Amino acid sequence: GDSVTQTEGQVTVSESKSLIINCTYSTTSIAYPNLFWYVRYPGEGLQLLLKVITAGQKGSSRGFEATYNKETTSFHLQKASVQESDSAVYYCALGEGNMGYKLTFGTGTSLLVDP
Amino acid sequence: DPKIIQKPKYLVAVTGSEKILICEQYLGHNAMYWYRQSAKKPLEFMFSYSYQKLMDNQTASSRFQPQSSKKNHLDLQITALKPDDSATYFCASSQTTSQNTLYFGAGTRLSVL
Repeated sequence: GDSVTQTEGQVTVSESKSLIINCTYSTTSIAYPNLFWYVRYPGEGLQLLLKVITAGQKGSSRGFEATYNKETTSFHLQKASVQESDSAVYYCALGEGNMGYKLTFGTGTSLLVDP
Repeated sequence: DPKIIQKPKYLVAVTGSEKILICEQYLGHNAMYWYRQSAKKPLEFMFSYSYQKLMDNQTASSRFQPQSSKKNHLDLQITALKPDDSATYFCASSQTTSQNTLYFGAGTRLSVL
């Protein structure tokens, strides 16, 4: 089967500091998985933050970056300098290109940025 | 303004009862979905609908029945509720089922006592 692992359930970072949220994946059914980061701000639905469909490529959005590493099966989310408005829950996910609706999610990492 | 509206935001039910979770999307999408997230677990895919027809069902229990009365509606009826059904239920949509950028509602948090 497919799985996504986010090891940190909750992360607290001071404003202007750097951030890494870890994500590793495993798949036995998808030859070329697409990888995603979704973000859920308080009171809102999940929204796509970034996605990468090709191994070795990097995606970026709103100052966040993630590189699709097929060798280490990882897709860690990074930001050089977080802001208080980045406080949210971040979900890593993988999916297939053509059946894109059936995403496999991680459990989510709740980020709290201290002002 | 939210483009996917889920009602209610919170729902408390007693074991054995029946509830309907409402979802409306105003994105003009043709595909709609239900996902569920139980405590400490990942979001998991439940159903997909395309042009108001069921395309995929990953839910083992027949107690969960999606209902699409209009193109932009996909409600979820849950019968004979159990405490294990307690979760946040997310509705989502995309232009078509081949698109892998999903748009999610804010969720309905269901607690079954």
